Amino acid sequence: GQQLNQSPQSMFIQEGEDVSMNCTSSSIFNTWLWYKQDPGEGPVLLIALYKAGELTSNGRLTAQFGITRKDSFLNISASIPSDVGIYFCAGQSDSGGSNYKLTFGKGTLLTVNP
Amino acid sequence: GAVVSQHPSWVICKSGTSVKIECRSLDFQATTMFWYRQFPKQSLMLMATSNEGSKATYEQGVEKDKFLINHASLTLSTLTVTSAHPEDSSFYICSASRGLGGALGETQYFGPGTRLLVL
Repeated sequence: GQQLNQSPQSMFIQEGEDVSMNCTSSSIFNTWLWYKQDPGEGPVLLIALYKAGELTSNGRLTAQFGITRKDSFLNISASIPSDVGIYFCAGQSDSGGSNYKLTFGKGTLLTVNP
Repeated sequence: GAVVSQHPSWVICKSGTSVKIECRSLDFQATTMFWYRQFPKQSLMLMATSNEGSKATYEQGVEKDKFLINHASLTLSTLTVTSAHPEDSSFYICSASRGLGGALGETQYFGPGTRLLVL
């Protein structure tokens, strides 16, 4: 099946620093999404990208859908302690028929030191 | 809007028993619901996709007779883990989308998850 390579696996940063993480794939995705998951909770959608080359912001978060449709990055500017959590990229693709399923990356664990 | 709940939030059971997990869309009609499993420090792995009123579509390697999915209404899907064993212990997360089949671009809204521990 399709696989997403997400990096880095973990990051330890100081409050106020900027953060960048990315996902790459060997195959094309129709949509790229970025989620944040807090411990013991379900993922929460941060940003959705629908077109190759699209650059979208949500507050301090910025994400881009790669031109080749095989990659995406997420930037967080001026990090704050509540940014702590696991960030997942996900690609949406046609799984046959009318179903479009999500494939998740392995996640990036972000720790912010106050 | 677009709130998805799961019940129970956690469950402990003895090996060999069956456990039912409910997933509800509280403020929208979910034509499609998805069930995921997440092991500690791992990513979410899709188990199955269910469309209301139809049989669920299972991912390769997921036993449909062990993980029974029922999507009887537009707001409720259930996952039953039959004859649970310790290796079934995991975090089970559902998601719901308004569109049919999780249509392209249709947002999936995730529930808070259910932690299952089988002793």
